[in-house]
Amino acid sequence: AQKVTQAQTEISVVEKEDVTLDCVYETRDTTYYLFWYKQPPSGELVFLIRRNSFDEQNEISGRYSWNFQKSTSSFNFTITASQVVDSAVYFCALNPMDSSYKLIFGSGTRLLVRP
Amino acid sequence: DTEVTQTPKHLVMGMTNKKSLKCEQHMGHRAMYWYKQKAKKPPELMFVYSYEKLSINESVPSRFSPECPNSSLLNLHLHALQPEDSALYLCASSPPRGSPNTEAFFGQGTRLTVV
Repeated sequence: AQKVTQAQTEISVVEKEDVTLDCVYETRDTTYYLFWYKQPPSGELVFLIRRNSFDEQNEISGRYSWNFQKSTSSFNFTITASQVVDSAVYFCALNPMDSSYKLIFGSGTRLLVRP
Repeated sequence: DTEVTQTPKHLVMGMTNKKSLKCEQHMGHRAMYWYKQKAKKPPELMFVYSYEKLSINESVPSRFSPECPNSSLLNLHLHALQPEDSALYLCASSPPRGSPNTEAFFGQGTRLTVV
């Protein structure tokens, strides 16, 4: 089965706190892509990062960082020094690296950053 | 220009109406998608067009009819919808399979209300 689990339904933090959003995936495929998207109240899904299954290097982009661990099938996302503008729903998604165009989304984590 | 434009942003229609949702991208992407998203749920794939041909239809009812007139445009024709079809309809585009970058870019969506 192909599945993405985001166990945290909702997280609330105070501005400037660090926060980690968890993502665990299941797939039989040996090659695949993983993604994180941000969905602010306006509705658009904003692409944040793509990771290939054969590239386990962690990545940092400004206040955002991602920790990909194949051994635990996890692709966690950390926001450092959170800001109110980070408030949104965050989706983790899986895409098998074959001819399929299907994105398998997790259920999403709603992040609320309070001033 | 990493932009997918959807019109209209909001639509209210009766159950006997016929309406169309429109989507446009100028990134040269050859895959285009329609997703449906209900409140507090992840997006659900409806249709995928690859090189202007319908590639995936996720058993969507025939009251939803997609059309891809050219590589930049994607339409979703609506007829005889039900109130439970009220949702956010998201269009997305991506490079075709086999490209080095496969992430999908999403529009802001059309918030559809069926009365």
